Amino acid sequence: DVKVTQSSRYLVKRTGEKVFLECVQDMDHENMFWYRQDPGLGLRLIYFSYDVKMKEKGDIPEGYSVSREKKERFSLILESASTNQTSMYLCASSVTSGGTYEQYFGPGTRLTVT
Amino acid sequence: EDQVTQSPEALRLQEGESSSLNCSYTVSGLRGLFWYRQDPGKGPEFLFTLYSAGEEKEKERLKATLTKKESFLHITAPKPEDSATYLCAVQEGGNTGKLIFGQGTTLQVKP
Repeated sequence: DVKVTQSSRYLVKRTGEKVFLECVQDMDHENMFWYRQDPGLGLRLIYFSYDVKMKEKGDIPEGYSVSREKKERFSLILESASTNQTSMYLCASSVTSGGTYEQYFGPGTRLTVT
Repeated sequence: EDQVTQSPEALRLQEGESSSLNCSYTVSGLRGLFWYRQDPGKGPEFLFTLYSAGEEKEKERLKATLTKKESFLHITAPKPEDSATYLCAVQEGGNTGKLIFGQGTTLQVKP
C-alpha cells in the first residue's frame, strides 16, 4: 500500500523560529513535492525534487527552503517563521516513469505561527 | 497558460440524488488528468487517472469521464459519506511530474 507520512499533524511555533517539516515515502518514488493549502487559494506548490539532492522552486518558494539527502525523505524548512506561513502543509510523491504520474499525499501538517 | 477550472464551487445534494462535477482544462498536450477526494483536515486521496479522450474509470458510486476539453465526475445515488471536496488536476508538460490543481468542488450530501 502507498504510504506518505509527515512528522507532525499539528504544530504551533513562534514568530522567528526555524521550523522543520519532515516527509517520508516508502514507495521508492523519484519525485517529491511540498504544497501549502489555504482556504480560497487551493493547493500551491512551494518546492519539488525530482532526485536526491535536486530541488526546484515551485510557485511560492519565498521564505522556504528544502532538503533531500535521501530518496525517501524530503524536508521543508521555514527559516524564520512568520504569521503568514500559518497554513496546512502537504507533502506528496510520484513516480517519474511508467506512464503513471499520480501524486500520493501525506496526511498534512497544520502549522500555526503565533 | 495551463489552467484547470472546476465547477460548481459547492454542491448540495440529497442522498440518492445523482449529479456531476465539472473540470475544464487548458493544457498543451494532456499527459494525464487526475481526480482526488479530500476530507476536511486531511490530505487528498487519489481516485482516478484518465489519459485520453473517451476514457472512463469507475469506483463504487463515482465515474470519471474525459473529453478533449473537460472531465466529469459523475456521482450516482450519493450517500452522506461521499461528502468531501473533490479536486481535479492535470499533468504539466515535461517530466517533472508537476500537477496543476483546480480549486475543488465541495460536495455535501444530506441524508
